[in-house]
Amino acid sequence: GDQVEQSPSALSLHEGTDSALRCNFTTTMRSVQWFRQNSRGSLISLFYLASGTKENGRLKSAFDSKERRYSTLHIRDAQLEDSGTYFCAADMDSNYQLIWGSGTKLIIKP
Amino acid sequence: AQTIHQWPVAEIKAVGSPLSLGCTIKGKSSPNLYWYWQATGGTLQQLFYSITVGQVESVVQLNLSASRPKDDQFILSTEKLLLSHSGFYLCAWSLGGTGVYEQYFGPGTRLTVL
Repeated sequence: GDQVEQSPSALSLHEGTDSALRCNFTTTMRSVQWFRQNSRGSLISLFYLASGTKENGRLKSAFDSKERRYSTLHIRDAQLEDSGTYFCAADMDSNYQLIWGSGTKLIIKP
Repeated sequence: AQTIHQWPVAEIKAVGSPLSLGCTIKGKSSPNLYWYWQATGGTLQQLFYSITVGQVESVVQLNLSASRPKDDQFILSTEKLLLSHSGFYLCAWSLGGTGVYEQYFGPGTRLTVL
């Protein structure tokens, strides 16, 4: 079955609002990475976490250090350029494979 | 700084024709390399990975093959395209070694099979 459950699948927000995306894992993961894909298909790495939290400007991500079974991505004060599809991807062990969430399509409206 | 380049940018090909997609990474020696496929509106599916020249491991084949002829080059190919091969192909690199590290993606190749 699916090992990564990403939610919500779609989200529409006005500029200036805050949002939270989440990935739940059916098993313990070693690390998680968050990406944003733009309309051209380019995939930008936002965060890579083996544990704890990281912050970059208006974006903040956390990876549950205790059970390692979920991760969140918070977007503060959303801007138009935050629009895109966000993916989480996690790895279970050292077999060089990432397991991907199904994505969250985020639309920011003026 | 590392750069990753994919070619071609886009291809329109006939069913049954051959395909070769390329990826090069500059500014990083001995990276781990990866090929992914993404259906329109879908998530990513890892196809292959390589941790060293001449060595490629398959994750999901989809009637495709991959090769790593040089340290900085990763090739995806097939002799006979299927309609189901249409989609977006992404190459990625990470630090070399055992395990999964942060991955960085190329701009992708959009393939349409008719």
